[in-house]
Amino acid sequence: EEQLLESGGGLVQPGGSLRLSCAASGFTFSKYAMGWVRQAPGKGLEWVSSISGSGGGTYYADSVKGRFTISRDNPKNTLYLQMNSLRAEDTAVYYCATNLFITAAASYWGQGTLVTVSS
Amino acid sequence: QSVLTQPPSVSGAPGQRVTVSCTGTSSNIGAGYDVHWYQHLPGTAPKLLIYRNDNRPSGVPDRFSGSKSGTSASLAITGLQAEDEANYYCQSYDSSLNVVFGGGTQLTVL
Repeated sequence: EEQLLESGGGLVQPGGSLRLSCAASGFTFSKYAMGWVRQAPGKGLEWVSSISGSGGGTYYADSVKGRFTISRDNPKNTLYLQMNSLRAEDTAVYYCATNLFITAAASYWGQGTLVTVSS
Repeated sequence: QSVLTQPPSVSGAPGQRVTVSCTGTSSNIGAGYDVHWYQHLPGTAPKLLIYRNDNRPSGVPDRFSGSKSGTSASLAITGLQAEDEANYYCQSYDSSLNVVFGGGTQLTVL
């Protein structure tokens, strides 16, 4: 059974950094593109970033471009999101999802990890 | 302001049929990009309901169906059940903005 487990969320001050991780199991991780989606309090889903199965292709929403970096370690079956220069508006639950790449649907999602940016 | 427009809420009585619309433009749905639908209960992982406009993943009841025409798509739920009460999101691709979601629709089962 496919499983995704996010970690690394927490409270961080504006301008700070945080690295989220998403541990995958139950499927051949390297064969699938992956992505991050977030949901701010009281808001809808917002796509953040996607990465190809090999890691060679990466895409970002304009709202995070230049501040966030998506990466993956296929031998460790882990997806990452490095978040720098965090702002209050980045406060959200961050979900990782399989297959979320360009026109494809996100097949499986994790439970999410909460990131709070506040002083 | 989401690129894809959904009604904020819809409601229906148990057993009834409801539809959720998702309206885009010529740069996303109208350009021929596929539409996908998700069900999301607060505090849980979103679940894929419909992929590539009208396809159901294994395990999704056939009470859920999707369609697409022109610059819009729709999710239909028949035989409404209390457990269907959730938020529903459409997703597509936009030639300028990459992956895009609708603003979400809250379904209330009366």
